[in-house]
Amino acid sequence: DTGVSQNPRHKITKRGQNVTFRCDPISEHNRLYWYRQTLGQGPEFLTYFQNEAQLEKSRLLSDRFSAERPKGSFSTLEIQRTEQGDSAMYLCASSLLDYPTDTQYFGPGTRLTVL
Amino acid sequence: AQSVTQLGSHVSVSEGALVLLRCNYSSSVPPYLFWYVQYPNQGLQLLLKYTSAATLVKGINGFEAEFKKSETSFHLTKPSAHMSDAAEYFCASVNDYKLSFGAGTTVTVRA
Repeated sequence: DTGVSQNPRHKITKRGQNVTFRCDPISEHNRLYWYRQTLGQGPEFLTYFQNEAQLEKSRLLSDRFSAERPKGSFSTLEIQRTEQGDSAMYLCASSLLDYPTDTQYFGPGTRLTVL
Repeated sequence: AQSVTQLGSHVSVSEGALVLLRCNYSSSVPPYLFWYVQYPNQGLQLLLKYTSAATLVKGINGFEAEFKKSETSFHLTKPSAHMSDAAEYFCASVNDYKLSFGAGTTVTVRA
């Protein structure tokens, strides 16, 4: 069990550029979540996948954001035409679907700074 | 929908003293509750979780939390603080498998 990994750990970009982040979940986990955390706040849910299917998207996820999990393994989160308000820590978590609730394990995050 | 409120954004304790972090939940159904810890510039690490099996939940690093339905609380405690406990702590509830976090409590430990 190597844990959840995220790349890159840090990204600095200029406003208007596109960025893409990658998340590799724990290998046997079938659920993958994306959260966003701004300074001084708790993480907020963005979207999640069960295998390759994207099951839910938060209203926080504007049209500029897109997430994929093409083969049910790693996932990418792309932000197009970045804005300064997109500056945040983007966290990925994975879990093994369980009842009544599964436990989510988080990666180290990708910190995005938009200049 | 379930939500949590963390009371106190900052807590300062002396090394060796009791650590008490407060979390209250609002829910009309039995909640599933979690405590996570976040060290600077890192992701979240699970400390413990409550899933109704037992009201007193023991976690890692000497932390424990007690679920009190009468008080709608799930406070986190550690009998003796260590310098390595300095971090930010988040209480969270689950809504349809999605975590909903409190605003967090930053713990500083004085030597």
